[in-house]
Amino acid sequence: GNSVTQMEGPVTLSEEAFLTINCTYTATGYPSLFWYVQYPGEGLQLLLKATKADDKGSNKGFEATYRKETTSFHLEKGSVQVSDSAVYFCALRLNFGNEKLTFGTGTRLTIIP
Amino acid sequence: ETGVTQTPRHLVMGMTNKKSLKCEQHLGHNAMYWYKQSAKKPLELMFVYSLEERVENNSVPSRFSPECPNSSHLFLHLHTLQPEDSALYLCASSLAEQSNEQFFGPGTRLTVL
Repeated sequence: GNSVTQMEGPVTLSEEAFLTINCTYTATGYPSLFWYVQYPGEGLQLLLKATKADDKGSNKGFEATYRKETTSFHLEKGSVQVSDSAVYFCALRLNFGNEKLTFGTGTRLTIIP
Repeated sequence: ETGVTQTPRHLVMGMTNKKSLKCEQHLGHNAMYWYKQSAKKPLELMFVYSLEERVENNSVPSRFSPECPNSSHLFLHLHTLQPEDSALYLCASSLAEQSNEQFFGPGTRLTVL
């Protein structure tokens, strides 16, 4: 079956630190990959996506590259801000039919001033 | 603001109560979803509706009963729940069932006593 494994949190960083949240996946086909973010008291929002190998998704200073050889989609940001404090979910969806989103467990990120 | 609203935001109920969760989307989408979010577990897809027809029921106990009267509204009727059903219940919508991006509401925090 399909699954997503992401690093367990919580992750606590100082402002302006470099961020990496690891995500690896298992899929029976060729998936699209996503990062969703959930700010306190809100629902999930799509942060970025990549639909094929070697694509790089980027948004709000965050980046993730679809690595087929390592089945990974790690989230990175060069300099985090307090406003980046949230829960981050990695997800995949197979690129055919009515396949559903498969989510990881989420990683809580806290940025301290 | 994602265009998906949920009410109530918080709900406390006893095991013998009957309550309903409501979701409304203002995006003109044709697919709607219920998810359960529990601590340290991946988001669990519960139900999928496409064009007001239920297309997926992920082995959810019958004490959860969904209703989709039109493409803008989705309900989750709750009856004789258990304490382990306490979680954040998220509603989402997408343009179509095959769409890559889902738009989430803020969720209803449910506590079953």
